[in-house]
Amino acid sequence: EAGVTQFPSHSVIEKGQTVTLRCDPISGHDNLYWYRRVMGKEIKFLLHFVKESKQDESGMPNNRFLAERTGGTYSTLKVQPAELEDSGVYFCASSQAYERRNTDTQYFGPGTRLTVL
Amino acid sequence: RKEVEQDPGPFNVPEGATVAFNCTYSNSASQSFFWYRQDCRKEPKLLMSVYSSGNEDGRFTAQLNRASQYISLLIRDSKLSDSATYLCVVNIKTSYDKVIFGPGTSLSVIP
Repeated sequence: EAGVTQFPSHSVIEKGQTVTLRCDPISGHDNLYWYRRVMGKEIKFLLHFVKESKQDESGMPNNRFLAERTGGTYSTLKVQPAELEDSGVYFCASSQAYERRNTDTQYFGPGTRLTVL
Repeated sequence: RKEVEQDPGPFNVPEGATVAFNCTYSNSASQSFFWYRQDCRKEPKLLMSVYSSGNEDGRFTAQLNRASQYISLLIRDSKLSDSATYLCVVNIKTSYDKVIFGPGTSLSVIP
């Protein structure tokens, strides 16, 4: 079974530009999460989708970040306009059906390393 | 105070040593607990879930003390391949599931 995949693996952009990150969760997983690790800090939660709905977006840093999961399959995270402090590794994770509350093991993708110059 | 705290590390131990990592969490609504390992420049991977009764998987033993809000991971007979950062992860179940990562503890197993 394919794991969580993310694209691109690396992105280098200039301040003010737009970048869109993509995450393909494990097939059949209802839950999709976005996290970010800024250098020297712990991994921080950004938001959580259940199917196509945003369940919790309390971790989104500001309105320059927009996440979507149309159709409840893959998700995109757009940063517009990017700032220097957005640099970091963005991880996506997925887990199984929301109804199975005890099945909350999250499987992580390899991450997208974003550098804003 | 951070919601999840871990030993600052790094831990440098010889092969064959036993090493223990500690983790504390502050939110009493925390319900699920995990240890993940993260290799350099890789994604976190689940090592084991942590249950109140304690659980063991080969050389790895995890313990949970809900009263003290404390989690531990014991690695026996350390191997070179155990070198990684170990992340304590807590799932807080309120209206939503919220996952909180600890800062991680780095382990280097030395030949």
